[in-house]
Amino acid sequence: GIQVEQSPPDLILQEGANSTLRCNFSDSVNNLQWFHQNPWGQLINLFYIPSGTKQNGRLSATTVATERYSLLYISSSQTTDSGVYFCAVFKGGSEKLVFGKGTKLTVNP
Amino acid sequence: DTAVSQTPKYLVTQMGNDKSIKCEQNLGHDTMYWYKQDSKKFLKIMFSYNNKELIINETVPNRFSPKSPDKAHLNLHINSLELGDSAVYFCASSQLGAGAQETQYFGPGTRLLVL
Repeated sequence: GIQVEQSPPDLILQEGANSTLRCNFSDSVNNLQWFHQNPWGQLINLFYIPSGTKQNGRLSATTVATERYSLLYISSSQTTDSGVYFCAVFKGGSEKLVFGKGTKLTVNP
Repeated sequence: DTAVSQTPKYLVTQMGNDKSIKCEQNLGHDTMYWYKQDSKKFLKIMFSYNNKELIINETVPNRFSPKSPDKAHLNLHINSLELGDSAVYFCASSQLGAGAQETQYFGPGTRLLVL
């Protein structure tokens, strides 16, 4: 099946810093989602981004489908950005979302 | 309004018991899912239903039985609970398109602890 790898596994930042999270996938996909799991365990949709670039406030994401990767940018990080960021991909025919292992982000004040 | 809701949020039970988790979505989606998140935070799909029909059944023990009474509800019944079933179970829903899938929305999770 399709493999999804996220890097780095752990990231510690000071408030105000910028960061880039990466998601590599092993096969062509029909769509890709980024999620944030906050410290209370809630999974929040950030982006639905099978290709191209999207921005939402301090967060933006870019997926280069032909090269099988996606990047999540967090600018001017805040302590509330802490949590685990997951990338998940969907390949037509499999009918299921496959998750990476996540990047655990800690933003210190 | 809650888009995808699950009950209960927490479930503590003894080994060998049978328990159910309920899920409801009010997004009008035709596809619903159950995921398991283990202690290492790894999320893996268990089941998927499309219009009340089972379309994905990953390698899950027979003790787990999903039921979809209608396309807005997907319940998960677990028989003879084991210690290894302790995890967070997430319900999700989405609209399946032609070979693709729109954004998948997740419920708040049910934290199951088997003692």
